Amino acid sequence: NAGVTQTPKFQVLKTGQSMTLQCAQDMNHEYMSWYRQDPGMGLRLIHYSVGAGITDQGEVPNGYNVSRSTTEDFPLRLLSAAPSQTSVYFCASREDTEAFFGQGTRLTVV
Amino acid sequence: AQKITQTQPGMFVQEKEAVTLDCTYDTSDPSYGLFWYKQPSSGEMIFLIYQGSYDQQNATEGRYSLNFQKARKSANLVISASQLGDSAMYFCAMRGNGATNKLIFGTGTLLAVQP
Repeated sequence: NAGVTQTPKFQVLKTGQSMTLQCAQDMNHEYMSWYRQDPGMGLRLIHYSVGAGITDQGEVPNGYNVSRSTTEDFPLRLLSAAPSQTSVYFCASREDTEAFFGQGTRLTVV
Repeated sequence: AQKITQTQPGMFVQEKEAVTLDCTYDTSDPSYGLFWYKQPSSGEMIFLIYQGSYDQQNATEGRYSLNFQKARKSANLVISASQLGDSAMYFCAMRGNGATNKLIFGTGTLLAVQP
């Protein structure tokens, strides 16, 4: 997973807490995305960005916020965690012909 | 709208045999790209191969090849000479162009290589 740093690797939250998942890439890619992976559902797109200052919603954006103030960083914010947000989260950074992923964050909301 | 479909939830293959993992897609975009990823039990997403919609030849990377049939909108992954280490979940993904330049994924195929 060259060049994509995603933290933390594991996190447990109580319902209602907020947190930020960090994602940074050093490949100067324009496109960055956040996905969640749930059993049997593949990777579903939460939010994505096509460049600094530009973000858009994916398939499952509710309960999440993003911002892209620099090319390198694309944090994902959970505003008020719910048990339904228990999942594995992946950040991705890509250009047209290559896409690389962070190591993933296993989030449990209790 | 873009859509990726993987119809095989799970597959078995004998070691040293070849296996084909199916992927069909739907898009109205004339320019798009197709990706395959491997996800072993450790959880990381490993990029395997890429095919552009205008590429004249099927993509190959070592033991991986992509059987791209544009008219049928299919992009099947072929793994030759399977190894025990190929046991993993495999995902097909597609990106569009312009306003549809999102990378979306199928639901995956779990491959088990048997000795």
